[in-house]
Amino acid sequence: AIQLTQSPSSLSASVGDRVTITCRASQGIGGALAWYQQKPGKPPQLLIYDASTLENGVPSRFSGSGSGTDFTLSISGLHPEDFATYYCQQFSDYQCTFGQGTKLEIK
Amino acid sequence: QLQLQESGPGLVKPSETLSLTCTVSGGSMTSSNYHWAWIRQSPGKGLEWFGNIYHSGGAYYNPSLKSGVTMSVDTSKNQFSLKRTSVTAADTGVYYCASAFLTETGLWGFDSWGQGALVIVSS
Repeated sequence: AIQLTQSPSSLSASVGDRVTITCRASQGIGGALAWYQQKPGKPPQLLIYDASTLENGVPSRFSGSGSGTDFTLSISGLHPEDFATYYCQQFSDYQCTFGQGTKLEIK
Repeated sequence: QLQLQESGPGLVKPSETLSLTCTVSGGSMTSSNYHWAWIRQSPGKGLEWFGNIYHSGGAYYNPSLKSGVTMSVDTSKNQFSLKRTSVTAADTGVYYCASAFLTETGLWGFDSWGQGALVIVSS
């Protein structure tokens, strides 16, 4: 199965900062990648799919890019509610895997 | 937006069968635009996908978790289910059901999730 490796595993930032999280696939997946945000005690919430398409209702400060094996999630101008854990996810050949997560904490 | 809700026992004994049901509201399970998924979250292993099932009952599973796993669907009740036999402590975790939609790139993305059901495997 395709493995997804996120970096960093954790990240400290301040309100207003811009942050970038990376997800690397063990083999090429075209643009078939999604990003999720999860807050404690809640299910993951879809932010971005097809590497760069924003899900309805997701603020425009979130953006995604990449193709093949390297992808990024960027958040420009962090809001207090953005401090959470972020996961990437791929689905190819009828198999799904998630990255291990990146915890974004307040500095 | 679809709403999903998991139900089932929160405590299962080792070697017994874990059974969970997801009830879907706000839409029809017979739509060909959606598949229906089970995903587990445990401290040691993060998010793990069990498999997807679609309205006709066809399913595809994660080979790593496929042993003892069966998914089924009852569209008349707007429900789908997960069974896993011979559970061990490693099956402890929060189990989510989710709806999966197919995107232009061939990705199945999970756009609606249940709140999650905590299942503890312990004697």
